[in-house]
Amino acid sequence: DQQVKQNSPSLSVQEGRISILNCDYTNSMFDYFLWYKKYPAEGPTFLISISSIKDKNEDGRFTVFLNKSAKHLSLHIVPSQPGDSAVYFCAGSGTYKYIFGTGTRLKVLA
Amino acid sequence: EAQVTQNPRYLITVTGKKLTVTCSQNMNHEYMSWYRQDPGLGLRQIYYSMNVEVTDKGDVPEGYKVSRKEKRNFPLILESPSPNQTSLYFCASSLADRGYGYTFGSGTRLTVV
Repeated sequence: DQQVKQNSPSLSVQEGRISILNCDYTNSMFDYFLWYKKYPAEGPTFLISISSIKDKNEDGRFTVFLNKSAKHLSLHIVPSQPGDSAVYFCAGSGTYKYIFGTGTRLKVLA
Repeated sequence: EAQVTQNPRYLITVTGKKLTVTCSQNMNHEYMSWYRQDPGLGLRQIYYSMNVEVTDKGDVPEGYKVSRKEKRNFPLILESPSPNQTSLYFCASSLADRGYGYTFGSGTRLTVV
């Protein structure tokens, strides 16, 4: 049972445009959702999180939106930069457990 | 520098030969966890620890052991490694069990032949 799903394995976006990464979940008990970025040969790096009681959280170029009724969250990156090219994981967290999605590889084209 | 340090970075071993992957954090975090990353499966939690001497199973604990005798260290032990444990392993720590982002180590690529 995959509780957190990232259905798009990859995404290509032109530099300066918006990147939208999507994530769906099935577990209603998650109380936080988080996004991580991963470069090759490095560990994932925490980007941004959102509480399940909110619908939007913004940090610089990164905004996460949460739609609880649809059990869907998305990460918007505006404007996209070549350095944003990486694999992005979403995760849901509950008591002592984080469940990660399978990741989306973002490529920002110069 | 705040960090999670894993060793070794790369390891090739033979089936059945016990091994330990070390993990240490310098941020005084209470919560630590081990993950494995496999193609198409994302990051799956192996074990986690809420504090010293308190550990519990994640989603894929079979074939692994952990211990948390000190707050900063959380070693992963493979008593009898098998080829299906060939994977990329990450240790991570956090201030709390939810809401706060993990700090991840750089990973250990393990190959069991």
